[in-house]
Amino acid sequence: DAGVTQSPTHLIKTRGQQVTLRCSPKSGHDTVSWYQQALGQGPQFIFQYYEEEERQRGNFPDRFSGHQFPNYSSELNVNALLLGDSALYLCASSFGTGWTDTQYFGPGTRLTVL
Amino acid sequence: KQEVTQIPAALSVPEGENLVLNCSFTDSAIYNLQWFRQDPGKGLTSLLLIQSSQREQTSGRLNASLDKSSGRSTLYIAASQPGDSATYLCAVAPGDTDKLIFGTGTRLQVFP
Repeated sequence: DAGVTQSPTHLIKTRGQQVTLRCSPKSGHDTVSWYQQALGQGPQFIFQYYEEEERQRGNFPDRFSGHQFPNYSSELNVNALLLGDSALYLCASSFGTGWTDTQYFGPGTRLTVL
Repeated sequence: KQEVTQIPAALSVPEGENLVLNCSFTDSAIYNLQWFRQDPGKGLTSLLLIQSSQREQTSGRLNASLDKSSGRSTLYIAASQPGDSATYLCAVAPGDTDKLIFGTGTRLQVFP
């Protein structure tokens, strides 16, 4: 049983470019959350997708957008990249929106913006 | 606004020591609290999940306690090993949203 997978592993972009990160949830999970983790910091919640809709959103600008597909996989898109967007982007999956289950995190995508 | 703080920020101990990592949160209205482990440049591995109605959880050499009224949790690691070296993150699930709020972590090094 595969856990949460993310692609790509590493990515290097330049300022102003756009990037798309991908996440496949753990088998049986239907909810995907995205987090940004800057170096030396704890992860910060970006948004959560359930039933192909954005349910919750953290304090991130509209440059950050996402999508969830019918197979529950998800994409995170970031437009007009800034140097400060350099971070480890983590995807987490769970079943439903209750909090009785543990969230499972993927290995992350390391984004470097030059 | 919920804030999560972890003390100490870093810890270096010799192998075999018992140690305690601390986590505090400002709003006691939480659904649960989790402790995660993160190896350098890697994702998060959930270690222990404590529901708001529980006081503690144990898994092997790990024991986590929760005191909601005082806004505190501790992670106790018994007989530490070099393989325990990692960053330990505490996260709370607030009562009014579905997101996790993380502390900045405690970086643990256990040397032989």
